[in-house]
Amino acid sequence: DAKTTQPPSMDCAEGRAANLPCNHSTISGNEYVYWYRQIHSQGPQYIIHGLKNNETNEMASLIITEDRKSSTLILPHATLRDTAVYYCIVSSRAQKLVFGQGTRLTINP
Amino acid sequence: NAGVTQTPKFQVLKTGQSMTLQCAQDMNHEYMSWYRQDPGMGLRLIHYSVGAGITDQGEVPNGYNVSRSTTEDFPLRLLSAAPSQTSVYFCASSRGGEGHYGYTFGSGTRLTVV
Repeated sequence: DAKTTQPPSMDCAEGRAANLPCNHSTISGNEYVYWYRQIHSQGPQYIIHGLKNNETNEMASLIITEDRKSSTLILPHATLRDTAVYYCIVSSRAQKLVFGQGTRLTINP
Repeated sequence: NAGVTQTPKFQVLKTGQSMTLQCAQDMNHEYMSWYRQDPGMGLRLIHYSVGAGITDQGEVPNGYNVSRSTTEDFPLRLLSAAPSQTSVYFCASSRGGEGHYGYTFGSGTRLTVV
């Protein structure tokens, strides 16, 4: 599975859009991009996933570049409860996800 | 609908002891996985299963056994606990088949081996 690169930490003001980047330059054609988050020491929470089209759900939007070498997770109106570690994962097999270090997102009041 | 239930929530073991971490899901999910998370680190996949009777190794399988006799349950066995196995263990489940779906995680078991 392709390796991902994320910034170790980011800050965002409450109420603003939080844009979390992920680089996956070695992604192959059958690999999906998944995003999860982990709030404090809780179990990770699934956010969204996509193959090549942009995706949106009630939590977030996922923007994947045309060459699929990078993606951005967008939290449109960040709240304090969105403070968490966000993991970008690339995998061709839904049953075998490998987590990296993620991005620690801090939402500031 | 309880989701993914892990028991116990906390456990202290002595080196060399064995124990089983329990994981049950009530969503009729085919896929189930076990992860461990050491302090300040990301999650590492221990074992996973794509259905009853089918299991496979993840990144860090040594020292752990699994079996999947039913769709609902996926226990993780520590054969002879070592201090290096002190960690938080998460179980997760997902729909299977050809599609890609998100995993639902349990709340974790915090294990200390002394």
